[in-house]
Amino acid sequence: EDQVTQSPEALRLQEGESSSLNCSYTVSGLRGLFWYRQDPGKGPEFLFTLYSAGEEKEKERLKATLTKKESFLHITAPKPEDSATYLCAVQAPGNQFYFGTGTSLTVIP
Amino acid sequence: KAGVTQTPRYLIKTRGQQVTLSCSPISGHRSVSWYQQTPGQGLQFLFEYFSETQRNKGNFPGRFSGRQFSNSRSEMNVSTLELGDSALYLCASSLAPTGRVPSNYGYTFGSGTRLTVV
Repeated sequence: EDQVTQSPEALRLQEGESSSLNCSYTVSGLRGLFWYRQDPGKGPEFLFTLYSAGEEKEKERLKATLTKKESFLHITAPKPEDSATYLCAVQAPGNQFYFGTGTSLTVIP
Repeated sequence: KAGVTQTPRYLIKTRGQQVTLSCSPISGHRSVSWYQQTPGQGLQFLFEYFSETQRNKGNFPGRFSGRQFSNSRSEMNVSTLELGDSALYLCASSLAPTGRVPSNYGYTFGSGTRLTVV
């Protein structure tokens, strides 16, 4: 069964303390892996798309990487405004999307 | 540039009733996808429309249906509401249908409609 698992469920970091969020998937024939950020009361905001193992994308303090079975979202020297829920989604061969339940990140000043 | 607009923002309905939610995509976007978000299940794909045609459908019962109009606006309908249908319903739009979206673009989500079934 196609599945997407994100870990940890919640993460508290001190401002400036770098860390990584994990997204593992069991989807066969991955067509794309998406990272989104979601703030309370809002819809997800697109961050990155990765298509093949070894691919990396960067945006400000965020860097996403992809292997054959998982993706990492690295956060370097986070700031309080990076606090949000980070969602991972995979696109299966049938063009269906499967989302993980997210990692809730809190960055403490 | 206006974003994806979903109406209404909040809705309370009684079990057994039906409900219609609306989504206006970003101007020029022809693909609209619908998702259900709950704390326990996360985001689950409902269906996608492109040029008034349903292209993909998730694993939801037939009580969930949708349509897209010629101006790309989309509506989602849920009939015979159940308590478990309480959720945040999100709509996302993009220029191209699933599978053809450029890697640096993704999908733009609206803020959702919070449906509570009592």
